[in-house]
Amino acid sequence: DTEVTQTPKHLVMGMTNKKSLKCEQHMGHRAMYWYKQKAKKPPELMFVYSYEKLSINESVPSRFSPECPNSSLLNLHLHALQPEDSALYLCASSQDMAGASTGELFFGEGSRLTVL
Amino acid sequence: KQEVTQIPAALSVPEGENLVLNCSFTDSAIYNLQWFRQDPGKGLTSLLLIQSSQREQTSGRLNASLDKSSGRSTLYIAASQPGDSATYLCAVPTSGTYKYIFGTGTRLKVLA
Repeated sequence: DTEVTQTPKHLVMGMTNKKSLKCEQHMGHRAMYWYKQKAKKPPELMFVYSYEKLSINESVPSRFSPECPNSSLLNLHLHALQPEDSALYLCASSQDMAGASTGELFFGEGSRLTVL
Repeated sequence: KQEVTQIPAALSVPEGENLVLNCSFTDSAIYNLQWFRQDPGKGLTSLLLIQSSQREQTSGRLNASLDKSSGRSTLYIAASQPGDSATYLCAVPTSGTYKYIFGTGTRLKVLA
């Protein structure tokens, strides 16, 4: 099973709302990622968790708050977002670091976020 | 700093053609390279992970090659079909980290 599951598929929220995106994988992968993707652009890395610890934060605004409750789950908490935060948010996982023979990235289907 | 570019940015071909997508990278000290497919509004699907020691990797009608010395990888699609229409992205790892540098993508349209 090479599946990464993301919920919800679509989310519409106002600028004062608080919502969360969820991601789950059961491949035993040690690293989990959040990427943001705008239309016709490649994915941009936001956060990486390795062994349930935050390993990379790409200077993401604090209105995005990641959480890794256990090795299979990854959440992205959203609060006071701006319309320019509207994008496709992608979760991914990998067994090992980039460059390792087991460093293959597996992505979920994404959560389409619209901020009004 | 690693930079990854993909040319062409868009490609439209008739069904049945064999085609080559290109991925160029500036720092040749990489251990592998991954090719992905993305359908509109969807996530990325991993197509092939090619190790630097392999030089080539095949899956069905897809064949990826890697030439580190020239900083290039190519994805060859044989006998293209309308279902192959998608954006194809390559990603290069930053060794020792969890960072992958993505190319800008090639939007492929295969006409029936």
